[in-house]
Amino acid sequence: GESVGLHLPTLSVQEGDNSIINCAYSNSASDYFIWYKQESGKGPQFIIDIRSNMDKRQGQRVTVLLNKTVKHLSLQIAATQPGDSAVYFCAENFGGNTGKLIFGQGTTLQVKP
Amino acid sequence: GAGVSQSPSNKVTEKGKDVELRCDPISGHTALYWYRQSLGQGLEFLIYFQGNSAPDKSGLPSDRFSAERTGGSVSTLTIQRTQQEDSAVYLCASSSTPGGYEQYFGPGTRLTVT
Repeated sequence: GESVGLHLPTLSVQEGDNSIINCAYSNSASDYFIWYKQESGKGPQFIIDIRSNMDKRQGQRVTVLLNKTVKHLSLQIAATQPGDSAVYFCAENFGGNTGKLIFGQGTTLQVKP
Repeated sequence: GAGVSQSPSNKVTEKGKDVELRCDPISGHTALYWYRQSLGQGLEFLIYFQGNSAPDKSGLPSDRFSAERTGGSVSTLTIQRTQQEDSAVYLCASSSTPGGYEQYFGPGTRLTVT
C-alpha cells in the first residue's frame, strides 16, 4: 500500500553532534524523494531532494542517502544547531505525471544546548 | 522573492457552513497543490493543478471539497457544509516543475470547525 514511514517519532541530539533521521518507503516505483523541515506554526520548508537514479546527494550541512534495495531513505545533518529543531518529513513521488507526494508521519528533532 | 501565500491564516467556522481558502503561488509556477495536515500528522494530498490540464482530484476526501485555479495562478479550495473532522491545517504548494517535484509550501490556513 501507500506508506512512507519514519523509524523514530522523536530524536534528541546534543548541539554540535550529527543527526540521522531515517525513513522507510514502500513503493519501489517511486522515482523522487524529498525531505522537508517544519517548524511550529509554519509550512514545510524544502531541505533537499534526490532522484531514484542517485544514491547520495549533499547540500549545505545536509546529506540524503537512498538505498533502493531496502527502500530506505535517510537525512544526515552535520553539526546540528538549535535552529535545526523541528519536525522532519520525508515524502515520495510515485512518478509519472502525478503530483501526489506521499508523506511520512514525521520525526521531531530536539537539539539540546 | 515572494513565496507562496495563503489566506486567511486562521478560520473558525460553525459546522454546516461553507468556507473558502485562498492560495497565491510563487509567480511563474505552473504547478499548484493542496494538502491537508491534521494535528501531529503528516500531509495528505488533496488536489494538483498543472497548467491548463485537468486537475488531479484523486485526494479529495468527499464531494464537499472542490478547488479551482483561475488564470493559472490563484487557487481557491472550497469546503461545503463543513464537518468537525474537516478541522486541520490546509497547505498549498507550488512548483515550477510539473509532476510533483520541488514543491514549495505556504504557511497554511488553520481551519477549526466548531
